[in-house]
Amino acid sequence: AQSVTQLGSHVSVSEGALVLLRCNYSSSVPPYLFWYVQYPNQGLQLLLKYTSAATLVKGINGFEAEFKKSETSFHLTKPSAHMSDAAEYFCAVSWMDSSYKLIFGSGTRLLVRP
Amino acid sequence: DAGVTQSPTHLIKTRGQHVTLRCSPISGHKSVSWYQQVLGQGPQFIFQYYEKEERGRGNFPDRFSARQFPNYSSELNVNALLLGDSALYLCASSPGLAKPTSTDTQYFGPGTRLTVL
Repeated sequence: AQSVTQLGSHVSVSEGALVLLRCNYSSSVPPYLFWYVQYPNQGLQLLLKYTSAATLVKGINGFEAEFKKSETSFHLTKPSAHMSDAAEYFCAVSWMDSSYKLIFGSGTRLLVRP
Repeated sequence: DAGVTQSPTHLIKTRGQHVTLRCSPISGHKSVSWYQQVLGQGPQFIFQYYEKEERGRGNFPDRFSARQFPNYSSELNVNALLLGDSALYLCASSPGLAKPTSTDTQYFGPGTRLTVL
């Protein structure tokens, strides 16, 4: 079955440190991949998406992610964490044959220490 | 431009009752999707509608139904509420200019928090 896994329900970093949030998918067909952020009591905001163009995708707020087919991964990174980055992050996938639905991972809560 | 709007913001119901949640997509967007987000989990796909037709349904019981109106707004209905239906219900819209595609960006509303007692 097609699925997406986010390793680590909580990640804690110091302000200014590297942020790395992990996402792996399982599928025999390369998917389209998305990262969303959710701030408390808000909906989801798209950070970036991969749709089979460049494997390194740059998004908003300094985030980027790299699609690695051999590792079936799409990890999210940011060189320097800011306090405002504290939120819940969701990796999501869709496939050409689904044409509509996103399948989400269980989320990773990012905590940023001053 | 206004984003996706949902109403009500919060709702408290008791078991067995019925609930209707409403969503207005971004102006010009023709596709609306509904997701259920249980506390501590990622959103789960419930429905997608495009041009008033159901284009996709997730693994939810028949107690869940939806429809899309000519102005592209949408309603999600849940009958015979169970405690397990307590969740944040998210609506997302996407352009779907020709038809929904996997690469369409879905823009999410703030959600409706449903509590079933």
